[in-house]
Amino acid sequence: RKEVEQDPGPFNVPEGATVAFNCTYSNSASQSFFWYRQDCRKEPKLLMSVYSSGNEDGRFTAQLNRASQYISLLIRDSKLSDSATYLCVVNMENQGGKLIFGQGTELSVKP
Amino acid sequence: GAVVSQHPSWVICKSGTSVKIECRSLDFQATTMFWYRQFPKQSLMLMATSNEGSKATYEQGVEKDKFLINHASLTLSTLTVTSAHPEDSSFYICSASWMGPSQPQHFGDGTRLSIL
Repeated sequence: RKEVEQDPGPFNVPEGATVAFNCTYSNSASQSFFWYRQDCRKEPKLLMSVYSSGNEDGRFTAQLNRASQYISLLIRDSKLSDSATYLCVVNMENQGGKLIFGQGTELSVKP
Repeated sequence: GAVVSQHPSWVICKSGTSVKIECRSLDFQATTMFWYRQFPKQSLMLMATSNEGSKATYEQGVEKDKFLINHASLTLSTLTVTSAHPEDSSFYICSASWMGPSQPQHFGDGTRLSIL
């Protein structure tokens, strides 16, 4: 079983749609969680951290359920510029901050 | 602006060549940096953890004699791919966290390595 699992997609959605990405992790010792965005042939860029209480940043909402070891990302009112691969990332703080990446979920927003 | 700088961004060279990639933290000290590799259509895979002033910690399956890591200062880590072969062609990315291991990491721009 992979340490961090995501649906690879691709998700093809029209502009303005709401789309949700799911992610599960296997190591209960995982301590912090992030969503990164990666554009084609570019480095990952931090989208947002994920907290147990849930957090929102504009059109983006992230949720964490530690009991179920489940992380989600909701994107509302999708824009063309949201097209990218979204990476679910788990931080093993007790291993010096080692990051474990999911395989990424590809999103394509169409006009 | 960028907090982690990586150089070069693109390398094309012949099989058997050794290639050095630099990763610099800008305006902050990074006692720990990380090196990742990403093949097309795959996610980033951690290769090794680079520790300033000590030996790097390599992930299982990564040859330490093949991928030499040097972290000689608090702002610079280098990855040298020794005697590179076509199967080493990949996207190599470094990262560092300027606020400690619990905080998000920032990534360099990545180095696209193509071995002919």
